[in-house]
Amino acid sequence: QVQVQESGPGLVKPSQTLSLTCTVSGGSVSSDNFYWSWIRQPAGKGLEWIGRIYNSGSTIYNSSLKSRVTISADTSKNQLSLKLSSVTAADTAVYYCARVELRYFTMDVWGQGTTVTVSS
Amino acid sequence: QSALTQPASVSGSPGQSITISCNGSSSDIGGYKYVSWYQQHPGKAPQLMIYEVSNRPSGVSNRFSGSKSGNTASLTISGLQAEDEADYYCTSYTSTIIRVVFGGGTKLTVL
Repeated sequence: QVQVQESGPGLVKPSQTLSLTCTVSGGSVSSDNFYWSWIRQPAGKGLEWIGRIYNSGSTIYNSSLKSRVTISADTSKNQLSLKLSSVTAADTAVYYCARVELRYFTMDVWGQGTTVTVSS
Repeated sequence: QSALTQPASVSGSPGQSITISCNGSSSDIGGYKYVSWYQQHPGKAPQLMIYEVSNRPSGVSNRFSGSKSGNTASLTISGLQAEDEADYYCTSYTSTIIRVVFGGGTKLTVL
C-alpha cells in the first residue's frame, strides 16, 4: 500500500525559500503510471494545484507560481521536493503531496499534509 | 478563481439525498470521462470518493454516486449521515497542459 508523508519547516520567514519533502513508501516516484503533485490549501480556503512531476523529471507548474516554484525528485531516496522562493504571508497554507493515477487522472493517494506559516 | 464551478454550500437532513454540481467546459468535464470527487473533513487530507465519473474506490460507501451530463458533473449522496458533513471537491482532466483542474469546493452541512 502506497503511503506519502510530507515534511519540512513549519515556519519560514518572508522572502526566504520554502522547502518541503514528500517521502513515498510502497511505490516508486519514477513509475510511468503516476504523476506526483503538490497541492496547497490556505486556512479556510479551497485546494490550489501547485505543480507536478512525471517520471522523475518532467514538470509542469501553476502559472501563477511558475516563477517561484521548483519540483524535483530524488529517486535514490524515493522522495519528492518542493521549493517555493520569495515567500510571503499569502503562501501560508497546508501543503499536500498526492499521487495522480494516470489511468483515471485521479489523485488516489494523499499525504496528511504539512502546515507552513510564513512569518517573521 | 477555480476552473470548475461548485456551489459554495449545500445542506440536507439525515436520511435525505443531496446533489453537488460541478460545472466545467468542453475542455475538461465535457470532453473526458476523468472526473473525480474528494471528501475533506476539517483538519484532514482530502479522500478520493469517486473517480472516472462514477466509480467508487474500494471502501467507499455505495451511498456516494457520481454522474455527468454535458459539461456538468454531479455527486449524489443518499441516506445522508452526520459523518458526511465535510467539504467536497471535484477535479477533471483537462486538455490544457496542466492536465488536472479543481473545483472551488462545496461545504455540506447535515442539519
